[in-house]
Amino acid sequence: QQQVKQSPQSLIVQKGGISIINCAYENTAFDYFPWYQQFPGKGPALLIAIRPDVSEKKEGRFTISFNKSAKQFSLHIMDSQPGDSATYFCAASRGFQKLVFGTGTRLLVSP
Amino acid sequence: EPEVTQTPSHQVTQMGQEVILRCVPISNHLYFYWYRQILGQKVEFLVSFYNNEISEKSEIFDDQFSVERPDGSNFTLKIRSTKLEDSAMYFCASRATGPPDTQYFGPGTRLTVL
Repeated sequence: QQQVKQSPQSLIVQKGGISIINCAYENTAFDYFPWYQQFPGKGPALLIAIRPDVSEKKEGRFTISFNKSAKQFSLHIMDSQPGDSATYFCAASRGFQKLVFGTGTRLLVSP
Repeated sequence: EPEVTQTPSHQVTQMGQEVILRCVPISNHLYFYWYRQILGQKVEFLVSFYNNEISEKSEIFDDQFSVERPDGSNFTLKIRSTKLEDSAMYFCASRATGPPDTQYFGPGTRLTVL
């Protein structure tokens, strides 16, 4: 029940294309859903986050879509750039409790 | 912008030795966490800490592990007798008591157990 499932495991997108990463959760008590970006040898850095009372949140080229009834959420990266090449983790938490991370998606944006 | 710092960046130790990983959380944060990431795998929760006590711990966090806030700024993770399988990146994170709800991560300590 604590799992967050993430797909795909890896993704190759042309520069300028749209990158889409999907996550699904089971625990309906989760109330905070962040996406983290991680470059090799670095710590996860918050990219964008959403709460379940909204269905979409956009910040620049990054959009989270949230489907509460399906218990799914996704990250869309518009106009993907080579600098976006990194590993992306979805996560979920409840209140001040631990973050439960997905398994990660390695994104490569080809020039 | 305030950030979480961690030392050392890389620690090499022999199996059976004790190690202490250090973290300085963001100054006005009161919730602290340790996570670890084995190479190429997902980030796993170890322990959370609030008000000078452990609030939650995972099954990974056994008797070999301990955490401490020895002063007003540092937060430490001690592994008493390291095993080969403890080799991983260890991340400290902190968050504020109010919004935003974000946990901010440090750059990590790479622990290599030989």
